[in-house]
Amino acid sequence: EVQLVESGGGLVKPGGSLRLSCVTSEFLFSDSTMNWVRQAPGKGLEWVASISSGSAYIFYGDSVKGRFTISRDNAKNSLYLDMNSLRADDTAIYYCASRGVVYQLDYWGHGTLVIVSS
Amino acid sequence: SYVLTQAPSVSVAPGQTAKITCGGNDIGTKGVHWYQQKSGQAPILVVYDDSDRPSGIPERFSGSISGNTATLTISMVEVGDEADYYCQVWDSSSGHVFGTGTKVSVL
Repeated sequence: EVQLVESGGGLVKPGGSLRLSCVTSEFLFSDSTMNWVRQAPGKGLEWVASISSGSAYIFYGDSVKGRFTISRDNAKNSLYLDMNSLRADDTAIYYCASRGVVYQLDYWGHGTLVIVSS
Repeated sequence: SYVLTQAPSVSVAPGQTAKITCGGNDIGTKGVHWYQQKSGQAPILVVYDDSDRPSGIPERFSGSISGNTATLTISMVEVGDEADYYCQVWDSSSGHVFGTGTKVSVL
């Protein structure tokens, strides 16, 4: 069974930083483009960032560009999201998700909650 | 930036058919994917590439495209189908774009 497990969420003050992690098991993490998607309380899904299998191609959503950094360690089957200059509107559940060959997000983790508040 | 538009809500009686639409410019050229998200849970993929189903997804879930509108059809709706449904495409300028979401209520 494919599993993705996020961690690292929590309460952080505006302007602060946080690092999220996503560890996967069993499927070919090293061959997969990986993504972070977030969902603010009571709101819809918002794509945050993507990173290709070899880290050559990295893309960000406009709302996080310049503040967030996506990275991965294929040896550890792990995906990361470094979040800086956090704002109240970054408050959300953050999901990691793998991308399939036709750009579908085929497997999702359970999410980790980030709350930005003073 | 690319925008996908969905109706906020759809209500359907058990055993009937629910149709959830997703509108976007030239959507037929992009490959549309659909996700089901039940309350308090992560999304799951129910249809990909316009009309294909992942393994384990019932045949009651089907997808189609006509013009600038994609449609997710749930046949013989069950109480357990009550959830939010999101469409999604990849756009070369905007990245992964999600629709605004449709809440399906089973009366």
